[in-house]
Amino acid sequence: NAGVTQTPKFQVLKTGQSMTLQCAQDMNHEYMSWYRQDPGMGLRLIHYSVGAGITDQGEVPNGYNVSRSTTEDFPLRLLSAAPSQTSVYFCASGELRGSNQPQHFGDGTRLSIL
Amino acid sequence: DQQVKQNSPSLSVQEGRISILNCDYTNSMFDYFLWYKKYPAEGPTFLISISSIKDKNEDGRFTVFLNKSAKHLSLHIVPSQPGDSAVYFCAAPGDDKIIFGKGTRLHILP
Repeated sequence: NAGVTQTPKFQVLKTGQSMTLQCAQDMNHEYMSWYRQDPGMGLRLIHYSVGAGITDQGEVPNGYNVSRSTTEDFPLRLLSAAPSQTSVYFCASGELRGSNQPQHFGDGTRLSIL
Repeated sequence: DQQVKQNSPSLSVQEGRISILNCDYTNSMFDYFLWYKKYPAEGPTFLISISSIKDKNEDGRFTVFLNKSAKHLSLHIVPSQPGDSAVYFCAAPGDDKIIFGKGTRLHILP
């Protein structure tokens, strides 16, 4: 009964380093998404995917890459970390179109860029 | 453009009273609206939803009202309890992505 699993839970990076935030779901959901949450800013959509092989940009995509090679996995890559990317990152999966089924969120990754 | 808007960043309510959280939207094609609750250091969790063909949905202490003509929905919590202190997001599934409001932080005062 794993749901959405995000790893790592915490990470500290130096400016310019790269890393990948992992997200995996075991509910066979087609739709997956990444958000960042900053104080007073709510949930801002970074990238999303409506199925394997399909990704699209959200509200704040700059500095991030994603891929969706399988239904289960949706990793988020920081290409060259910047202090402005210090945030809490949430991955979610669920149904999309015309559905009242909720999105399932992971517990988040707290990322600090020094 | 922000299709789902929560214009109150925070709200304080006395324990036992009614909490009313508001949400406005611009896209009349949304089929459903959902409310999520988020505690610190946790991911958001689903609270309650409403179909666009209904004007009310109730689940225990939580009731969501939908006014389609005004493109407005509200979440009522009665009675408010200390454990209701959290951030609440309204959301709507669009054609290709889920649209979230920016959230309202609810403080339940003793």
